Amino acid sequence: AQKITQTQPGMFVQEKEAVTLDCTYDTSDPSYGLFWYKQPSSGEMIFLIYQGSYDQQNATEGRYSLNFQKARKSANLVISASQLGDSAMYFCAMREGPSTGANSKLTFGKGITLSVRP
Amino acid sequence: DSGVTQTPKHLITATGQRVTLRCSPRSGDLSVYWYQQSLDQGLQFLIQYYNGEERAKGNILERFSAQQFPDLHSELNLSSLELGDSALYFCASSGRGLAKNIQYFGAGTRLSVL
Repeated sequence: AQKITQTQPGMFVQEKEAVTLDCTYDTSDPSYGLFWYKQPSSGEMIFLIYQGSYDQQNATEGRYSLNFQKARKSANLVISASQLGDSAMYFCAMREGPSTGANSKLTFGKGITLSVRP
Repeated sequence: DSGVTQTPKHLITATGQRVTLRCSPRSGDLSVYWYQQSLDQGLQFLIQYYNGEERAKGNILERFSAQQFPDLHSELNLSSLELGDSALYFCASSGRGLAKNIQYFGAGTRLSVL
């Protein structure tokens, strides 16, 4: 089974509107971390937001928030007030095990392309 | 700017050749990770080093090797290159603020094997 699933092939949103990018994950480890990264056409990977499995509240970072539903194993990214510069590929990733553990590798989903229309 | 520096940005070489990709982590970060991004495989973890020692290994080919030096910079060596090795190779680092252990990525090295 895939550990990170991103099934939306491409998303479109009007400038200034909000958009939700879906991510579901699969792990049996009680301690894990969930990440979202943005990859613009230039290619770099930009960290956006982090959610720990034991965090009680949903993470927020400026216009980004993470809708964490542990029982459903979903970690959707919400971008509010979309901007043209938000057009990019978005990747959901997971670290299994505690953050201080020996193995901190990230497992990535296939990504979602977001296009913001003016 | 993530603070992680990767050189070179682009590399074009021929099959059978050997190349070295270099990574300087963020100041103070002890962990370095290497990832490969290709169209067919997506983003895959290759290897992790922590303070000079190999910590974890992913789907890294035997033709590939890496090391982390005392100054914490890391190199990924790719040998006997094949067309299928063409990809974007990322280095990431983490270590400060271990509570989250967020990995910050460099801009990547785009390798083209012709």
